[in-house]
Amino acid sequence: GQNIDQPTEMTATEGAIVQINCTYQTSGFNGLFWYQQHAGEAPTFLSYNVLDGLEEKGRFSSFLSRSKGYSYLLLKELQMKDSASYLCAAPSGSARQLTFGSGTQLTVLP
Amino acid sequence: NAGVTQTPKFRVLKTGQSMTLLCAQDMNHEYMYWYRQDPGMGLRLIHYSVGEGTTAKGEVPDGYNVSRLKKQNFLLGLESAAPSQTSVYFCASSDTQGSNQPQHFGDGTRLSIL
Repeated sequence: GQNIDQPTEMTATEGAIVQINCTYQTSGFNGLFWYQQHAGEAPTFLSYNVLDGLEEKGRFSSFLSRSKGYSYLLLKELQMKDSASYLCAAPSGSARQLTFGSGTQLTVLP
Repeated sequence: NAGVTQTPKFRVLKTGQSMTLLCAQDMNHEYMYWYRQDPGMGLRLIHYSVGEGTTAKGEVPDGYNVSRLKKQNFLLGLESAAPSQTSVYFCASSDTQGSNQPQHFGDGTRLSIL
């Protein structure tokens, strides 16, 4: 089975840096996804990690440590539009179906 | 540039009524999925399909049925709606090529059962 944990809520200030953590326990490891979901909208893909280390994409970076069962999403130079829910998800099975964490609701304050 | 399209976007049903949620994708993806999203519980997989004519159960399949008669369409049916099925339903699809292929989501169907 899969078990994914992430904090429920976080608050940060515009222009700051925030790190959203995710810990996972999976029966077999096939990588880890991060999605962003604005209120009332569909989840959209942010990043995928399968090897240890940091993947950088502009203001967003994602880190993975397979030995620790741990990942984080790093958001730099926060903007008001970054206020959203951030979902950590692990794929498994014949269709690489996703098991999601409950999501971390990030609020960016001016 | 449609991607994944879900219909309807909103629906209110009475307990015991039936309905079908439609999902269509124009990306020629083999894999398709139905999730439900409830407050504080994240997205949970209801059913999924690895290709035309195939379906399989996910984490929370009870009370739902699905069909994949055509590759581009994945239908989710509620035979006898219950208040516990009030939720936001998301359809998604993904490509088979490469382990890093993300799932692409539709805009969701907001369903209320009274």
